[in-house]
Amino acid sequence: AQSVTQLGSHVSVSEGALVLLRCNYSSSVPPYLFWYVQYPNQGLQLLLKYTTGATLVKGINGFEAEFKKSETSFHLTKPSAHMSDAAEYFCAVSSGAGSYQLTFGKGTKLSVIP
Amino acid sequence: ETGVTQTPRHLVMGMTNKKSLKCEQHLGHNAMYWYKQSAKKPLELMFVYNFKEQTENNSVPSRFSPECPNSSHLFLHLHTLQPEDSALYLCASSQGASGGPYNEQFFGPGTRLTVL
Repeated sequence: AQSVTQLGSHVSVSEGALVLLRCNYSSSVPPYLFWYVQYPNQGLQLLLKYTTGATLVKGINGFEAEFKKSETSFHLTKPSAHMSDAAEYFCAVSSGAGSYQLTFGKGTKLSVIP
Repeated sequence: ETGVTQTPRHLVMGMTNKKSLKCEQHLGHNAMYWYKQSAKKPLELMFVYNFKEQTENNSVPSRFSPECPNSSHLFLHLHTLQPEDSALYLCASSQGASGGPYNEQFFGPGTRLTVL
């Protein structure tokens, strides 16, 4: 069984500051990892995903995440926050090996202060 | 229409009502999902269908009844709900088991359900 822990249910950053959203996972098999974003009154949209290969993954809107197996982490970063980044962010894990279901974290709400 | 659509977007119902939520995907996917999103809780996977067959039922109360007549349509029939069932219900689709374990799930905008 797999699980996802997102540290911090709410993160506030100033516009132009670094965004760091933390995600740690637990999986008994090599995981596939995802970050989704949810804007108000909308469904979830994929930001980026890690499957195999390069551990630094680039996504949409300037976000990137690094898979660190030794730390079982997949933290999401963006060098400079923009007001439009204010949303809720969800980390998710798929256990692979024929599974196509995702286990989601509780989400982190990002606020961007002008 | 493109992507995943859900209707209605908002629904208010009494505890004795019967209503249905509808989801349609225009992506040619084989798997469809129902999730419940409540405040301060993780997304809860409710049901999974792959090639119209239900492959997952995460101990969901029988007052929620899913139906998947084909790979493009998914319904959630609701009856005698409780106030604690008020939540955002999200539908998603993906390529399913045939698409591999890293295939992306595409989400609809959700139905905001309020049970009075």
